[in-house]
Amino acid sequence: GENVEQHPSTLSVQEGDSAVIKCTYSDSASNYFPWYKQELGKRPQLIIDIRSNVGEKKDQRIAVTLNKTAKHFSLHITETQPEDSAVYFCGKNAGNMLTFGGGTRLMVKP
Amino acid sequence: AAGVIQSPRHLIKEKRETATLKCYPIPRHDTVYWYQQGPGQDPQFLISFYEKMQSDKGSIPDRFSAQQFSDYHSELNMSSLELGDSALYFCASSLATNNSPLHFGNGTRLTVT
Repeated sequence: GENVEQHPSTLSVQEGDSAVIKCTYSDSASNYFPWYKQELGKRPQLIIDIRSNVGEKKDQRIAVTLNKTAKHFSLHITETQPEDSAVYFCGKNAGNMLTFGGGTRLMVKP
Repeated sequence: AAGVIQSPRHLIKEKRETATLKCYPIPRHDTVYWYQQGPGQDPQFLISFYEKMQSDKGSIPDRFSAQQFSDYHSELNMSSLELGDSALYFCASSLATNNSPLHFGNGTRLTVT
């Protein structure tokens, strides 16, 4: 599948602040965009996903926005907590395949 | 709820040896994916199977092969191992409906010495 660019590669925030991670892509056919959280040495876990017929989706402190025209989507975490510290990967589908961005290492400082 | 089961969790092999990784998908999931994740890198798609047939192929080396069996479990066979094959290997499964989420197993950490 085609690449998906993810920024920033590292993000450090103070506990309670918000964190935003952005991804851009170029494949117009992509219509599914999940976000995964991965703690060190563990498996990626789905935290939220969005489909192209929706512009925004929220689940408690986590939200994802999608701009299909501009081909970018973002993860927003509000009221960050130390346990949010992990690597976050955005993904997009390419046919039946899922490709990932390069990851963002989020560090939440107490 | 049942998750994706991978075995073994850890595997140590020497260069030029072979390795076989196993994956048991979530019951009723008909699609299996294999990913390779090097240290500090994102998971790289290797190969996928739908209903026991190869579905998509990514950056899988020719030294690797995989298959999905009649009970839907899958095996990744790796031959002529190289030091650079040391990585976490994840299996994931999903339903082959449109945009069904992937559920990952806990991975197999392969170390080639």
